[in-house]
Amino acid sequence: GESVGLHLPTLSVQEGDNSIINCAYSNSASDYFIWYKQESGKGPQFIIDIRSNMDKRQGQRVTVLLNKTVKHLSLQIAATQPGDSAVYFCAESNDMRFGAGTRLTVKP
Amino acid sequence: DAGVTQSPTHLIKTRGQHVTLRCSPISGHKSVSWYQQVLGQGPQFIFQYYEKEERGRGNFPDRFSARQFPNYSSELNVNALLLGDSALYLCASRDSWTSALQETQYFGPGTRLLVL
Repeated sequence: GESVGLHLPTLSVQEGDNSIINCAYSNSASDYFIWYKQESGKGPQFIIDIRSNMDKRQGQRVTVLLNKTVKHLSLQIAATQPGDSAVYFCAESNDMRFGAGTRLTVKP
Repeated sequence: DAGVTQSPTHLIKTRGQHVTLRCSPISGHKSVSWYQQVLGQGPQFIFQYYEKEERGRGNFPDRFSARQFPNYSSELNVNALLLGDSALYLCASRDSWTSALQETQYFGPGTRLLVL
């Protein structure tokens, strides 16, 4: 069946390092993807999105890469800060399916 | 502008009871979606409403129902509560109902429901 999922459940990085969070999807018809950040006790917060006609999109300290050939997308966070510690979800917008999330922990 | 608001923030119920959760979308947004997020998992889609009509339904039993009001606010109702209904219930709003417009949605803080 179709799925949206993440490769790793946890990621620990040193403050100042770059972080990469990966996500796989299986619905080849998916045309819009969103990354969300969810801090403890809060709802998911929109970070960045990408449409299927793009391979890369950059925001402030974040970059999303989309590889349609292997149905994979990644979220890159530059110069990771303690405030980036959260659970990150990718979502496929056609029917808003979320993966289980990756917990990012930033060590000072 | 205020974001998506939900009430109550926390709720404790016992098995078999009924619960009503409320959501107010971002001003100008006409679509509201409800999600259930069990601890340690991603949000699971329950319902989407647009212009007071149901536009989408996830794989949830009939004990779950919802409605949308003329002011676009929404209620989620759950009957005959089970222990497994304990979760964070999230509401999200967007301007339109179709994701074909590739428009993101914005989430509220959620209502944490505990069923004892």
